[in-house]
Amino acid sequence: QQQVKQSPQSLIVQKGGISIINCAYENTAFDYFPWYQQFPGKGPALLIAIRPDVSEKKEGRFTISFNKSAKQFSLHIMDSQPGDSATYFCAVVPTGNAGNMLTFGRGTRLMVKP
Amino acid sequence: DAGVIQSPRHEVTEMGQEVTLRCKPISGHNSLFWYRQTMMRGLELLIYFNNNVPIDDSGMPEDRFSAKMPNASFSTLKIQPSEPRDSAVYFCASSFISREAFFGQGTRLTVV
Repeated sequence: QQQVKQSPQSLIVQKGGISIINCAYENTAFDYFPWYQQFPGKGPALLIAIRPDVSEKKEGRFTISFNKSAKQFSLHIMDSQPGDSATYFCAVVPTGNAGNMLTFGRGTRLMVKP
Repeated sequence: DAGVIQSPRHEVTEMGQEVTLRCKPISGHNSLFWYRQTMMRGLELLIYFNNNVPIDDSGMPEDRFSAKMPNASFSTLKIQPSEPRDSAVYFCASSFISREAFFGQGTRLTVV
């Protein structure tokens, strides 16, 4: 059963544009919502994360918007750059999970054209 | 810290052979995860350990897969016998209280 649904599967954006990736989750027992970035040949790395007590978190050009009632969260990349071209994964962590077990979405392959 | 260290980086083996993947987590981290990444299925959690104890192995595909963590600084994922459908990139990750999981570079396994 897929607990996290991510869209789109791929995205092409012009340099300077806004990239938006969406995720929806299927139950309410999660309390940590990170986004990971993966470059070819590398492991995923944490980009930004949010907890459900806030609706938005911004770090530089990256913003997470969180809608608890809709069980959705999204990643916005402002002023997208060619160096942002990578695969992005949303994830969820169960409430109280001592091991911080991540369940990932299927990923979005972003290409930023110069 | 050198980060999570996985070995080997690449492994090519013949169907039916035993394969052992190795992982050294970041010192001080108390959770360790094994993930498998394929184009078809994305990033799948196979098993995770907390304080060296296996907590959830429901993602282990079948009895051919086994994982051990004999101490806080070492873990192995073994496939015996290997099959072509096991071809994937296998990642090890570790974490601590901060909830950020740190991933290794992965092992690309090809079973021919």
